[in-house]
Amino acid sequence: EAGVAQSPRYKIIEKRQSVAFWCNPISGHATLYWYQQILGQGPKLLIQFQNNGVVDDSQLPKDRFSAERLKGVDSTLKIQPAKLEDSAVYLCASSSTWTPYEQYFGPGTRLTVT
Amino acid sequence: DAKTTQPPSMDCAEGRAANLPCNHSTISGNEYVYWYRQIHSQGPQYIIHGLKNNETNEMASLIITEDRKSSTLILPHATLRDTAVYYCIVRSGSARQLTFGSGTQLTVLP
Repeated sequence: EAGVAQSPRYKIIEKRQSVAFWCNPISGHATLYWYQQILGQGPKLLIQFQNNGVVDDSQLPKDRFSAERLKGVDSTLKIQPAKLEDSAVYLCASSSTWTPYEQYFGPGTRLTVT
Repeated sequence: DAKTTQPPSMDCAEGRAANLPCNHSTISGNEYVYWYRQIHSQGPQYIIHGLKNNETNEMASLIITEDRKSSTLILPHATLRDTAVYYCIVRSGSARQLTFGSGTQLTVLP
């Protein structure tokens, strides 16, 4: 079984620029999550999708972050414009309907904002 | 969800059992205990979870005290590849997501 795929693995941008991350979850997993992990901290949930609908985006900074999951499969997370404090690893995870809290994580995208 | 307390770091000798403690004294009756780990430069990985009874799988054992206020994750024969940050998470049955703390950095020494 293929795991969660993410790209790119690394990205360096200047502040005020925009950036987008892509995630392909495990086939058949209805739930998709985006997490932000700042160095030295545990992952923090940004947004959760159930199929192509948003379940929870309460911790997503909506003035600069946006996410979509068209057709209930792949997802894209965008930051526009980026700030220095957005430097972090962005993790995508997915889970199945039957075991929703056994989440499978991708390798993450390490973003550096200079 | 109940808050958890874990030591920031622990060492373990290779081949010995690693016992990682977690305190969750405010846990309520419908809250589960989950353990994940995160190896350097990788995403977190699910290990095990439980409600009241002790649980065992191919990766680890989870021992939950009778009053459910604390638990211990046991890696029976730690290897160098078990070096990782281990997260103990308490989640209610109705909660939609997992909330990660800072975890315990386990270092397995040769």
